[in-house]
Amino acid sequence: KAGVTQTPRYLIKTRGQQVTLSCSPISGHRSVSWYQQTPGQGLQFLFEYFSETQRNKGNFPGRFSGRQFSNSRSEMNVSTLELGDSALYLCAIPRGGGTARNTEAFFGQGTRLTVV
Amino acid sequence: EDKVVQSPLSLVVHEGDTVTLNCSYEVTNFRSLLWYKQEKKAPTFLFMLTSSGIEKKSGRLSSILDKKELFSILNITATQTGDSAVYLCAGKSNTGNQFYFGTGTSLTVIP
Repeated sequence: KAGVTQTPRYLIKTRGQQVTLSCSPISGHRSVSWYQQTPGQGLQFLFEYFSETQRNKGNFPGRFSGRQFSNSRSEMNVSTLELGDSALYLCAIPRGGGTARNTEAFFGQGTRLTVV
Repeated sequence: EDKVVQSPLSLVVHEGDTVTLNCSYEVTNFRSLLWYKQEKKAPTFLFMLTSSGIEKKSGRLSSILDKKELFSILNITATQTGDSAVYLCAGKSNTGNQFYFGTGTSLTVIP
């Protein structure tokens, strides 16, 4: 079964700290997207990486950044954390591995970040 | 601005009822409309719709798209407690792999 592994599953940080979340898609998936899910805003697109390059970016401040490595693993970093950054962060890959545009996204289990 | 709006926000029904969830969208260079079910963490894929008027069906769930009215519905017949979840609708454009999600409809099915 196609998979996406996100670590850690849960995280508690204090305001002002920074955090790094990880997403590891199965081999061969070159596209990785990140989403933030909050009760009030729903799922919002953060950015997409394709073959180590950021291909698309949502409307989030510069405190949110990411990168992708040659093995397709992706990291998302949030600096100077705010209480409002508390959310479920989901990583997604397209079923077609980034080569088929008309395909659904497959989501990881997410990282639940709580900022106190 | 691209956006997807779902209604109702929440719904409580009894087992055996039929429900209809609504999704309207405004997505530039629209390509497809997707439905997901989210129970705890990861949304799981239900349907992808690209053509108007063609119903997609999976068991008790079905969905249809109206590209003229920019609208989609998800029907669930003979609901069961296991259908309790948040149902998400998402629009996808022709550019990139970005999805525009609605805030979801929370469905609770009580025995």
